[in-house]
Amino acid sequence: EIVLTQSPATLSVSPGERATLSCRASQSVGTNLAWYQQRPGQAPRLLIYGASARATGVPARFSNSGSGTEFTLTISSLLSEDFGLYYCQQYDSWPLTFGGGTKVEI
Amino acid sequence: EVQLVESGGGLVQPGGSLRLSCAASVFTFSRFAMSWVRQAPGKGLEWVSVISGTGGVTYYADSVKGRFTISRDNSKDTLYLQMDSLRAEDAAIYFCAKSTSIRYPLDSWGQGILVAVSS
Repeated sequence: EIVLTQSPATLSVSPGERATLSCRASQSVGTNLAWYQQRPGQAPRLLIYGASARATGVPARFSNSGSGTEFTLTISSLLSEDFGLYYCQQYDSWPLTFGGGTKVEI
Repeated sequence: EVQLVESGGGLVQPGGSLRLSCAASVFTFSRFAMSWVRQAPGKGLEWVSVISGTGGVTYYADSVKGRFTISRDNSKDTLYLQMDSLRAEDAAIYFCAKSTSIRYPLDSWGQGILVAVSS
């Protein structure tokens, strides 16, 4: 099973600042990695997949870089609606796995 | 907009069974793979199972293999998860989600349904 390790566990930022979230895979997943956002009390929402493609309706301030085992989600200028939990997920091999999440808080 | 609505959750005793349903609308259900993902209270996401659009291919997490069965009825646009031999550690919010294929990101999610396992 591919283990995804997200860091940091909690990221404290101010509105307007840049946020950088990391996801490390225990073995290569190529570019078969997705990022999800989960606001409190809501279902997760797909943000980015294929390592760099934004899902429908996702603003350009969200971007991803990396391939293989190291990935970074960047939120260029945080808005209040961006605070919440962020998960990475690999869909390269079975079982599909999620990272433990990063909480982005004010 | 895609709609996925889960139902069938509730409180069940350890060792008991429960069947979850996920009613889909506003897209051609049979053309998409469907998954179940769960989230224990205060915890992260855990993928549970996936089924192909035709229903012919399924995969399970090791934690539920042999106890849970995923299925779908494309004539009713509905996804199911039969959960048997439930354990305390199966307690979670269960989400259904759609994807283009079985090994693809989950692009739309339901709001989730709570399953509690307790005596």
